[in-house]
Amino acid sequence: GAGVSQSPRYKVAKRGQDVALRCDPISGHVSLFWYQQALGQGPEFLTYFQNEAQLDKSGLPSDRFFAERPEGSVSTLKIQRTQQEDSAVYLCASKDSPAYTQYFGPGTRLTVL
Amino acid sequence: AQSVTQLGSHVSVSEGALVLLRCNYSSSVPPYLFWYVQYPNQGLQLLLKYTTGATLVKGINGFEAEFKKSETSFHLTKPSAHMSDAAEYFCAVSGLNTNAGKSTFGDGTTLTVKP
Repeated sequence: GAGVSQSPRYKVAKRGQDVALRCDPISGHVSLFWYQQALGQGPEFLTYFQNEAQLDKSGLPSDRFFAERPEGSVSTLKIQRTQQEDSAVYLCASKDSPAYTQYFGPGTRLTVL
Repeated sequence: AQSVTQLGSHVSVSEGALVLLRCNYSSSVPPYLFWYVQYPNQGLQLLLKYTTGATLVKGINGFEAEFKKSETSFHLTKPSAHMSDAAEYFCAVSGLNTNAGKSTFGDGTTLTVKP
């Protein structure tokens, strides 16, 4: 079966541009997480959805970051007016409820010039 | 609040030698603990997890880890390293009462396997 997919795999943006990163979770998975992984560090939590409801966005670093999951399946992470410090790998994970195991996608590597 | 400390950002072993990657955690609620492996340009793959029950857990590729509550540790071991084990390893913790499994990760340990 298909795993979690993310697109694009690589994105280069000029500072100030807006970007949109897509996550396709495993079909039927209720929970969806976004993490940010800076170079040489572990993933850091950004936000969490249960179905279409965004239940936790405490990890979003600024109001330039916005995530949505309007139909409870595909999710989009949008970053407005990108800055160099936004350069990182953005990982998406999904899991079924009430399982403990998160399944990760391959990530999108964002480079802001 | 939760946190994870991985002791040693780089570990180098010879092929066939014991692998020991250290992880200590703190959690204000009973923890769920995970080890993930990440190969270059790939996502995280779950090696093993501890939720409840037996404190020695076995995972894929011959890895195992032991949950020691008194030491707040969850070290990862493998008796005999293989060249294909060279990768980045992450320890993570989530709590029973945290947001449906939101995880806190350590900074990772890069494992190098020498021939």
